[in-house]
Amino acid sequence: GQNIDQPTEMTATEGAIVQINCTYQTSGFNGLFWYQQHAGEAPTFLSYNVLDGLEEKGRFSSFLSRSKGYSYLLLKELQMKDSASYLCAVRDSNYQLIWGAGTKLIIKP
Amino acid sequence: ETGVTQTPRHLVMGMTNKKSLKCEQHLGHNAMYWYKQSAKKPLELMFVYSLEERVENNSVPSRFSPECPNSSHLFLHLHTLQPEDSALYLCASSQAMGSGHYEQYFGPGTRLTVT
Repeated sequence: GQNIDQPTEMTATEGAIVQINCTYQTSGFNGLFWYQQHAGEAPTFLSYNVLDGLEEKGRFSSFLSRSKGYSYLLLKELQMKDSASYLCAVRDSNYQLIWGAGTKLIIKP
Repeated sequence: ETGVTQTPRHLVMGMTNKKSLKCEQHLGHNAMYWYKQSAKKPLELMFVYSLEERVENNSVPSRFSPECPNSSHLFLHLHTLQPEDSALYLCASSQAMGSGHYEQYFGPGTRLTVT
């Protein structure tokens, strides 16, 4: 079966750095997406990785290792508004998105 | 209107009712999706319309019926639902599936409660 694993919940301090991990086992691989979802709102696209390595976009970076079936989302200089759920999704060989259950990130002052 | 819109935002219905959820995208995309989101569970893909062709998840009960009259509009018709169908129903759109980097854009969702 296909599976995406992420921690259920993480807590971090304002101004700090946090890394949210995602491991996957899917039928084929055609890219990995990270989305942010604030409570009661729609998921919004954060990043996309299809080749190994690090993609940086402002305070957010995403890393991919296809051989290890592993990705992480790195959030720097945390702000209170970063409190949200972070969803990892992998596009499989049929170009369907397989979703993780999401990681709820709590930022404390 | 911009992006992806969904109506209604909240819906309470009895198990014998019939209702419909509506989604409209203003992004010029040619693929649209219905997802079910339950607490602490992964997003469940229910239906996909891509280039006006329906791709269906076989595990979706027949009490959910999608309709896609054109590339901008998507409906989810509901009838004789069960309490376990209570969830957030999200609509999304994207360019058609393929090898490109095509992220999905989501609507705000309809919070459905079945009593």
